[in-house]
Amino acid sequence: AQSVTQPDIHITVSEGASLELRCNYSYGATPYLFWYVQSPGQGLQLLLKYFSGDTLVQGIKGFEAEFKRSQSSFNLRKPSVHWSDAAEYFCAVGRAAGNKLTFGGGTRVLVKP
Amino acid sequence: GAGVSQSPSNKVTEKGKDVELRCDPISGHTALYWYRQSLGQGLEFLIYFQGNSAPDKSGLPSDRFSAERTGGSVSTLTIQRTQQEDSAVYLCASSSGQGSSYNSPLHFGNGTRLTVT
Repeated sequence: AQSVTQPDIHITVSEGASLELRCNYSYGATPYLFWYVQSPGQGLQLLLKYFSGDTLVQGIKGFEAEFKRSQSSFNLRKPSVHWSDAAEYFCAVGRAAGNKLTFGGGTRVLVKP
Repeated sequence: GAGVSQSPSNKVTEKGKDVELRCDPISGHTALYWYRQSLGQGLEFLIYFQGNSAPDKSGLPSDRFSAERTGGSVSTLTIQRTQQEDSAVYLCASSSGQGSSYNSPLHFGNGTRLTVT
């Protein structure tokens, strides 16, 4: 069965500093990988996705993620965080058949001024 | 509509009562999903609709949970004889593609927060 682990439940980062959120997955075939963000009181918004090809993918809001098959990881990065990046971030893996996603437990990001 | 709409946004109910949660997907979206987000937990898949059919209902936690979709549009998630462990945020999502198309991302609603007292 597929699973997703986000080891960090909370991360606090200073505004302007870099951010990296970890995601490890377990899946028996080529994974379809996603990062979503959930701002307070909002629904989930897709940041970026990886299906195949270039292992470094660019998303919205200045985020990027790198797929590393050897490490079963899909870590999310941003070079310089803004106060508006304070939110909860979810990594997800999808199966080849259907859009059913398995989500990680989420990482809550707090941005200090 | 502009986005996925869910109602009510908040629902407080007594243990043992039935509740209905509604989801209005984006117009034209054929695929619809229900997820549950419990406090401190990730998102748990409940059920997937393609049109009015539910090819995958493997995530429904018990027979107290059911869902239907009519006219290929609105979906209702019903929880019978609610229990305190049903308290969670119930999220609906829709997408425009067929289930196997990953070029059609999920669009999520803001969810219904259910509290069972």
